[in-house]
Amino acid sequence: EVQLLQSGGGLVQPGGSLRLSCAASGFTFNRLGMAWVRQAPGKGLEWVSVITESGDITHYVDSVKGRFTISRDNSKNTLYLQMNSLRADDTAVYYCAKSWWLDNWGQGTLVTVSS
Amino acid sequence: DVVMTQSPLSLPVTLGQPASISCRSSQSLVDSGGNTYLNWFQQRPGQSPRRLIYQVSNRDSGVPDRFSGSGSGTDFTLKISRVEADDVAFYYCMQVTHWPLTFGPGTKVDIK
Repeated sequence: EVQLLQSGGGLVQPGGSLRLSCAASGFTFNRLGMAWVRQAPGKGLEWVSVITESGDITHYVDSVKGRFTISRDNSKNTLYLQMNSLRADDTAVYYCAKSWWLDNWGQGTLVTVSS
Repeated sequence: DVVMTQSPLSLPVTLGQPASISCRSSQSLVDSGGNTYLNWFQQRPGQSPRRLIYQVSNRDSGVPDRFSGSGSGTDFTLKISRVEADDVAFYYCMQVTHWPLTFGPGTKVDIK
């Protein structure tokens, strides 16, 4: 059974940093790309970033380019999202998802950017 | 960016009756290999999204056959043949053909 267990959310001040983690199991992690998607309170879904299976290629939505970094550790079956220079409009539930086609999702983790 | 639009945005349905959601993209979702990467997701209240349909019309494992997807090019449809109480949710289309990947605004399906 595919499982994506997320951790690392919380409250952070504007300009601060946070790292999200997504521990994967139930599939061959190093053979699939992975993604992050977010959902602001009461709003729809927004794709944030993807990474290839080897980690050599990444893509980001324009609003996070230069501030967020997606990465992975295939030895630990874990996906990461390093978020720097956080802004109030980054407040959202962040989901990790398996493959670029988002076939399985994590439970989500809330990131709140507020002073 | 490819803009995805959905209609209606709110869809009250009687139990046992059909429901249909339209999704349109601002440009064709057919890639150079002839594939169309249009997915549908369901998000029940308080839950993570779940993929229902991939590549326009392929149902994911465990998805009831009352859900079906169709369409081509820029026009796509998600149909529920007979709505059940369990189907109360937001439904989102999403294109995976062009960067950046983009979602529709979502359609809220609830029971009349």
